[in-house]
Amino acid sequence: GQSLEQPSEVTAVEGAIVQINCTYQTSGFYGLSWYQQHDGGAPTFLSYNALDGLEETGRFSSFLSRSDSYGYLLLQELQMKDSASYFCAASGNTPLVFGKGTRLSVIA
Amino acid sequence: DAGVTQSPTHLIKTRGQQVTLRCSPKSGHDTVSWYQQALGQGPQFIFQYYEEEERQRGNFPDRFSGHQFPNYSSELNVNALLLGDSALYLCASSLGSGRGDEQFFGPGTRLTVL
Repeated sequence: GQSLEQPSEVTAVEGAIVQINCTYQTSGFYGLSWYQQHDGGAPTFLSYNALDGLEETGRFSSFLSRSDSYGYLLLQELQMKDSASYFCAASGNTPLVFGKGTRLSVIA
Repeated sequence: DAGVTQSPTHLIKTRGQQVTLRCSPKSGHDTVSWYQQALGQGPQFIFQYYEEEERQRGNFPDRFSGHQFPNYSSELNVNALLLGDSALYLCASSLGSGRGDEQFFGPGTRLTVL
């Protein structure tokens, strides 16, 4: 089967840094994506890692370790608008298998 | 440049009925994937269409079927609706399989089955 595990909730202070971890078990693993979804909105693409290492895009960075079947999303300089659900998604034999999501609450 | 559009935005049906949801992909995209998202859960892959053919399918019963048209737009049909089919149905488009490609999601259709 295919499954991804990520924490259900994370709370962090505005301006701080938060890391959301994701472990995965998928057949024919190809890469790990991260999506953000605000309440009532559509998922929007944040990043994609196919190779081991860190990918940086502005305040967001994503990391992948294929040998550990592990990745994380790092959000820096948190803003209130970053409060949303964050999903890791693995591509492999199926185009995208999503985790259950991590609800991030940014507090003042 | 229009993004992914879906219609209708909301729909209420009763058990046993049939429903058709529609999706127009982002301009230039040739692949459409459909997902079901229950409240508080991640999207679950239903199937993917490319060149008017179902290319891959997730773990959903045959009551779920689809179609892709020559202009790359797509429909999702669900027959014999069950209460458990109540969910947000998301369409995503990409260029290619979407395995590593960014998928662009539409706003979704909220289906309620009574």
